[in-house]
Amino acid sequence: AQKITQTQPGMFVQEKEAVTLDCTYDTSDPSYGLFWYKQPSSGEMIFLIYQGSYDQQNATEGRYSLNFQKARKSANLVISASQLGDSAMYFCAMRDPTGNQFYFGTGTSLTVIP
Amino acid sequence: GAGVSQSPRYKVAKRGQDVALRCDPISGHVSLFWYQQALGQGPEFLTYFQNEAQLDKSGLPSDRFFAERPEGSVSTLKIQRTQQEDSAVYLCASSSTGNVETQYFGPGTRLLVL
Repeated sequence: AQKITQTQPGMFVQEKEAVTLDCTYDTSDPSYGLFWYKQPSSGEMIFLIYQGSYDQQNATEGRYSLNFQKARKSANLVISASQLGDSAMYFCAMRDPTGNQFYFGTGTSLTVIP
Repeated sequence: GAGVSQSPRYKVAKRGQDVALRCDPISGHVSLFWYQQALGQGPEFLTYFQNEAQLDKSGLPSDRFFAERPEGSVSTLKIQRTQQEDSAVYLCASSSTGNVETQYFGPGTRLLVL
């Protein structure tokens, strides 16, 4: 069963603007972790931000913030003040608390336009 | 400090050949994960080690895939009698124990089976 859904195959954003990348997840367990990773063309997955299911506040890391809406089971990534170097694939992932597996979505390709 | 390293970065194999892919995790990291990433897809979990113990191998697609981590540090993913459908990027990730078990990924090994 699909656990992570990313419905935007590709997104474009003007440099210095903010962009939201969508992610919904499916789990029946109350304890889980949600992650966002960036994968540039070089192929390496870069950790961006983490949100625990019990965290009361939305996670923030510099220009990255996670819009966590637990009831809707969504964990959208917001990138503020986009930079050309933000152009990459972005993957949402969830850690399954019953095991040690991470489930990844199919990714969103972000292109920042100068 | 040093990150996760993988070797070789690229591997071309003829169908039917055996291949071995190496992962050097971050020093001291207890957990090690292997993923398979097909072109245009998100990573898919293959197997998980905690120290030298392989705690989960449910993602290995067939008995041609074998992974080991005999001393709890370096890990090797072996694929026997490679098939064309094995062509993918193989990602290794490691993490330390803690409240946020974020994985740090290596650059991956791109395997092409002809």
